[in-house]
Amino acid sequence: RKEVEQDPGPFNVPEGATVAFNCTYSNSASQSFFWYRQDCRKEPKLLMSVYSSGNEDGRFTAQLNRASQYISLLIRDSKLSDSATYLCVVTLGYYGNNRLAFGKGNQVVVIP
Amino acid sequence: NAGVTQTPKFQVLKTGQSMTLQCAQDMNHEYMSWYRQDPGMGLRLIHYSVGAGITDQGEVPNGYNVSRSTTEDFPLRLLSAAPSQTSVYFCASRLDRRYQPQHFGDGTRLSIL
Repeated sequence: RKEVEQDPGPFNVPEGATVAFNCTYSNSASQSFFWYRQDCRKEPKLLMSVYSSGNEDGRFTAQLNRASQYISLLIRDSKLSDSATYLCVVTLGYYGNNRLAFGKGNQVVVIP
Repeated sequence: NAGVTQTPKFQVLKTGQSMTLQCAQDMNHEYMSWYRQDPGMGLRLIHYSVGAGITDQGEVPNGYNVSRSTTEDFPLRLLSAAPSQTSVYFCASRLDRRYQPQHFGDGTRLSIL
């Protein structure tokens, strides 16, 4: 089983609509979870950390389900500028010096 | 407000040449990593370091060397460039503790002819 799995998509989303996608991880000891955004051929940038109780940042909501070992990202009121690839990132273990595992990303295309 | 700085941004090499990709961070981060990203492959870890003097291999270390003589710098050396090493290379750093995100440099686009 891969360390982190994401459905690559693309997710074609009408402008103003809501889109959501999940990421599953295999290491039950993982403690830190993040969503990154990556624009074409640019560096990944932190979108948001994912906390146990779930968290929001404007139009973005992240959830963690430890029992089923997945995290999710929901984007409300999609904007054209949200078109990007969203990478799921998970620490492979409990400690801070555990390395990070990256999913291949969910590609989102917001359509006018 | 430099963060993670990578140089050069673009480079073209001939097969068999060697070169060093530079990476520096000014955030006093213990943990530094090098990734390569190829179309359809996602980010793949080449080498990483948890502090000065400590390095370890990632998923795809062959053909690359690293060293970490200071906390700030983590250069990546291509020993004898091959066309298969044509890629975008990202350096990243983070604090060596839980819940800390990783910060990326803006990448080096490397072509091997």
